[in-house]
Amino acid sequence: QVQLVQSGAEVKKPGASVKISCKASGYSFEKYGMNWVRQAPGQSLEWMGWIHPGNGNTYYSEKLQGRVTIASDTSATTVSMEVSSLTFEDTAVYYCARLWGSLYFDSWGQGTLVTVSP
Amino acid sequence: QSALTQPPSASGSPGQSVTISCTGTNSDVGAYDYVSWYQQHPGKAPKFIIYGVNKRPSGVPDRFSGSKSGNTASLTVSGLQAEDEADYYCSSYGGKNIFVFGTGTRVTVL
Repeated sequence: QVQLVQSGAEVKKPGASVKISCKASGYSFEKYGMNWVRQAPGQSLEWMGWIHPGNGNTYYSEKLQGRVTIASDTSATTVSMEVSSLTFEDTAVYYCARLWGSLYFDSWGQGTLVTVSP
Repeated sequence: QSALTQPPSASGSPGQSVTISCTGTNSDVGAYDYVSWYQQHPGKAPKFIIYGVNKRPSGVPDRFSGSKSGNTASLTVSGLQAEDEADYYCSSYGGKNIFVFGTGTRVTVL
C-alpha cells in the first residue's frame, strides 16, 4: 500500500531555513507527482507546490515562489521541501501528498510541525 | 490564486443531510471538472473523498456525493453519522499545474 513517511518536527528561528523530507513506498515513485501542502494552526490548507520525480519539473504557488524549493531523489524514493527566510507566519504543519491522475491528492504523509520561534 | 470560498460551518442531526458549497472563479472551479474534496479529523491528515466533481475513490461511502454548477461546487453528506463530524476542504485545478484549496467548512453533527 502507498505510504508517505515524513521527517520529524522542527523548531527554527526567524530568518533561518527548514528542510523536510517525505519517504515514499508502495508504488512506482517516478510515475506520480508529489505535492506539499501546509496548514497553519487553526487555518485552512494551503497548496505550496509539486514536483514530478520522473522528470524533475517543479511548480510553485505564486505566493511562495522564490522561498520554496522542492527536490526529489529517485534512488531514495524521497522528496524534500525547503523553505527559506522563515517568519512566524510559516509556523504550520507541512504535509506531502501524492498527486494521482495529475489532479488529485490521494495519499498524504502524517504531517511535520514546523515552529518558528525567537 | 485566491482560496476557494466555503462557509465556515454547517451542521445537521444524525440521519439528515448537509451540503457544503465551494465557490471559485472561471479560472479554476468554473474552468475545469477537476474538483476534489477532503475530510480532515482533528490532528489528522486530510482524507481524499471525492474527485472529478462527483466520483468517489474506492472505500468512500456513497453517502458522500458531489456536484458542480458554474463556478460553485458542492459536497453533500447524506445520512449524517457521528464520524462525519470533521473539517471538509474542496480543491480545484487552476491551470498551468497550479492547485488551490478552499477555506474549509467544519461540519457538526448535532
